[in-house]
Amino acid sequence: DTGVSQNPRHKITKRGQNVTFRCDPISEHNRLYWYRQTLGQGPEFLTYFQNEAQLEKSRLLSDRFSAERPKGSFSTLEIQRTEQGDSAMYLCASSPGQAGNNYEQYFGPGTRLTVT
Amino acid sequence: GDSVTQMEGPVTLSEEAFLTINCTYTATGYPSLFWYVQYPGEGLQLLLKATKADDKGSNKGFEATYRKETTSFHLEKGSVQVSDSAVYFCAHHGAGGSYIPTFGRGTSLIVHP
Repeated sequence: DTGVSQNPRHKITKRGQNVTFRCDPISEHNRLYWYRQTLGQGPEFLTYFQNEAQLEKSRLLSDRFSAERPKGSFSTLEIQRTEQGDSAMYLCASSPGQAGNNYEQYFGPGTRLTVT
Repeated sequence: GDSVTQMEGPVTLSEEAFLTINCTYTATGYPSLFWYVQYPGEGLQLLLKATKADDKGSNKGFEATYRKETTSFHLEKGSVQVSDSAVYFCAHHGAGGSYIPTFGRGTSLIVHP
């Protein structure tokens, strides 16, 4: 198992452009999470999936953000009309989601977004 | 609402010193508790966990005990190494049956030779 992977690792875009990030979780993990992390802060929850179903979204999540997990495997996070305040590290994590209290998460390396 | 509070860093220690990083939480019910570590340029990695009161999680010489009465999960290590320099995040997950985790702001640890 190669762990959680994210692409691209870095993205520089101009304000107003759309960007899309991809996350490939550990195979057989049925929960997938997206977070945003800024300097000096912990991961901030954005949304999560159980298989292909998006079950929770942060109320802080702007409607410019959308996420999909079409076949319950990889996921994409799209940000439309990017703003400078979107500059952050975007983290993906997967979790086994088996019966019982198995909440531990396995994180990818993140995608660093810079909006100029 | 749910929250996690960690001591502010950076924590600066000499090699072989004793480490404590304090963590307290507020949550509905009895969540599972975690410490994650983030080394420079890398993603977060699970360091240790505890799923119920009085459980002790341990890994790589680090320990933390789930204290329900004080809602705390302090991280300790008896003798730190330079390679332990990283940012440490306390988190809780599973409070009230929720699958949404809550992370602290992280505490940076710098260990000097």
